Amino acid sequence: QKEVEQDPGPLSVPEGAIVSLNCTYSNSAFQYFMWYRQYSRKGPELLMYTYSSGNKEDGRFTAQVDKSSKYISLFIRDSQPSDSATYLCAMSAGNAGGTSYGKLTFGQGTILTVHP
Amino acid sequence: EAGVAQSPRYKIIEKRQSVAFWCNPISGHATLYWYQQILGQGPKLLIQFQNNGVVDDSQLPKDRFSAERLKGVDSTLKIQPAKLEDSAVYLCASSASFIASSDTQYFGPGTRLTVL
Repeated sequence: QKEVEQDPGPLSVPEGAIVSLNCTYSNSAFQYFMWYRQYSRKGPELLMYTYSSGNKEDGRFTAQVDKSSKYISLFIRDSQPSDSATYLCAMSAGNAGGTSYGKLTFGQGTILTVHP
Repeated sequence: EAGVAQSPRYKIIEKRQSVAFWCNPISGHATLYWYQQILGQGPKLLIQFQNNGVVDDSQLPKDRFSAERLKGVDSTLKIQPAKLEDSAVYLCASSASFIASSDTQYFGPGTRLTVL
């Protein structure tokens, strides 16, 4: 079993749709949760960062973390063609269990296409 | 502020050959990471440096991969000899410090390696 599983597979939505991206994880030591966006032929860029459980909103983006269910989500409202990219969830345990700060474990990514 | 620079951007080699990748992090960033991203997967951490010391290399295949960060700035990642399964994008990232998991990791554009 992978430590982080990302769902759904490739997603194609019309412009203006609400998009929901999800990840589940098995390591209860994870306490820092991030969403990265990766455009084709580019490196990932940090989109959202959340510590522990709760919600965080930034413009059209909302990140949710439910540590009791080991489940995180990213919602994109009013999706735009410029949102077309691969979205990666990433998690860190901090220094718990002797792991290094900054060690990120990524999901496999969801390819999102928003068509006009 | 200049981003993380990597070179070359693309490399094609035959199996059993050697290859080296170079990374220049954001100026002043103490922590440098090398990730391997296989097609359709999320990045996997290979090695993490704090200044010129190794913090985590637990997932680096040390029989064929090596990395160094001389003088705590630039870094090189080498593969010798390469195998077909090494075909991937090699991403370099840097962050200002390593004592907080909230520190943003900034990624370079990556080097796309194809092993034939």
